[in-house]
Amino acid sequence: AQSVAQPEDQVNVAEGNPLTVKCTYSVSGNPYLFWYVQYPNRGLQFLLKYITGDNLVKGSYGFEAEFNKSQTSFHLKKPSALVSDSALYFCAVRGLRRALTFGSGTRLQVQP
Amino acid sequence: GAVVSQHPSWVICKSGTSVKIECRSLDFQATTMFWYRQFPKQSLMLMATSNEGSKATYEQGVEKDKFLINHASLTLSTLTVTSAHPEDSSFYICSARGLAGVGDNEQFFGPGTRLTVL
Repeated sequence: AQSVAQPEDQVNVAEGNPLTVKCTYSVSGNPYLFWYVQYPNRGLQFLLKYITGDNLVKGSYGFEAEFNKSQTSFHLKKPSALVSDSALYFCAVRGLRRALTFGSGTRLQVQP
Repeated sequence: GAVVSQHPSWVICKSGTSVKIECRSLDFQATTMFWYRQFPKQSLMLMATSNEGSKATYEQGVEKDKFLINHASLTLSTLTVTSAHPEDSSFYICSARGLAGVGDNEQFFGPGTRLTVL
């Protein structure tokens, strides 16, 4: 069965600094990987996905993620954090019946 | 873009009553809809997968008789929490996957329904 790990419960970063939210995965076969963001009491918003191709994936709101097959990682990054980026971020991998298995989530706190 | 709505957005009910949550794909036809639940400060857990016109596939540990799922059309799936109890209080989120060519076959998530059982 596939799984996703987000080792950090919370990431704190100052506004304007680069941010990284970590994700590692475990799947059999080729991974289909996703990042979503969730604001309080809201559903999930899609940020980006990796299916195949270029290891650096660019997504919404200036976010990007780097797929590293040897390290089985798919870290989310942004060159310059905004206070409005503060939210809960989920990494996910597609599994059977195209359902998603989510990581435990990482809360990003961007300080002004 | 593809939009998924849920109704109601929040509901409070008494223990023992049943609650129905609707999930609609507004501008596309969804061959498959997924139901997730999310406890406070926790991740989303898949409950079941439903395909239009067929029985839902439930994940291990999810009670079929308690969480009734109906996917009667390509734009509507419903989740009914029967005989709700306080431990059923959670945030329920649906997602929909479109027909081929819609959103690259990816899932689009609804805004969620917060259920509180007193």
